[in-house]
Amino acid sequence: DQQVKQNSPSLSVQEGRISILNCDYTNSMFDYFLWYKKYPAEGPTFLISISSIKDKNEDGRFTVFLNKSAKHLSLHIVPSQPGDSAVYFCAARGDRYTGTASKLTFGTGTRLQVTL
Amino acid sequence: DVKVTQSSRYLVKRTGEKVFLECVQDMDHENMFWYRQDPGLGLRLIYFSYDVKMKEKGDIPEGYSVSREKKERFSLILESASTNQTSMYLCASVSGREKLFFGSGTQLSVL
Repeated sequence: DQQVKQNSPSLSVQEGRISILNCDYTNSMFDYFLWYKKYPAEGPTFLISISSIKDKNEDGRFTVFLNKSAKHLSLHIVPSQPGDSAVYFCAARGDRYTGTASKLTFGTGTRLQVTL
Repeated sequence: DVKVTQSSRYLVKRTGEKVFLECVQDMDHENMFWYRQDPGLGLRLIYFSYDVKMKEKGDIPEGYSVSREKKERFSLILESASTNQTSMYLCASVSGREKLFFGSGTQLSVL
């Protein structure tokens, strides 16, 4: 049972345009969401996160939006740059009353390619 | 910066071999994790540990075991490697409810 889903396995965007990566989740106990970026042959690196008490978090070119009622989050990258080409994973974590609250559940990833 | 070090970047093993993947973190984190990454399947949790000598099964523990004798070190063991264990293995650590820090990964090929 895939509790965190990224339905687009790949996305191609022109340099300078907006990239929008989507993520859906099914577990209403999730209360914290993160995005990780992964280059080939490297470990994932943390990008941005959002708590369920917020609906938006911004960090430079990266903004994450959370729609709790729809159990949907999205990552916006504006403007997209060639160095953003990577696989992006969304991840979710249960609240502190869920056992092993530090455990993350990951989506299947979206490969973003930013073209010149 | 937090450093999570995985002992090997690439490993090639034969079917039936016992395989050890080692992971060391330098930030005194209580929690450590082993994930594997496969195309189209994302990152799946194999095992995790929230304290020395403590371990819990993740989503896909079959065929694996773990060892955590010291706080900084978390080992993943493949008792008898099989071809379906060919994958990228990623170790991570975290303190409390902060973000996970990952190692660079070990690409394991089982022939």
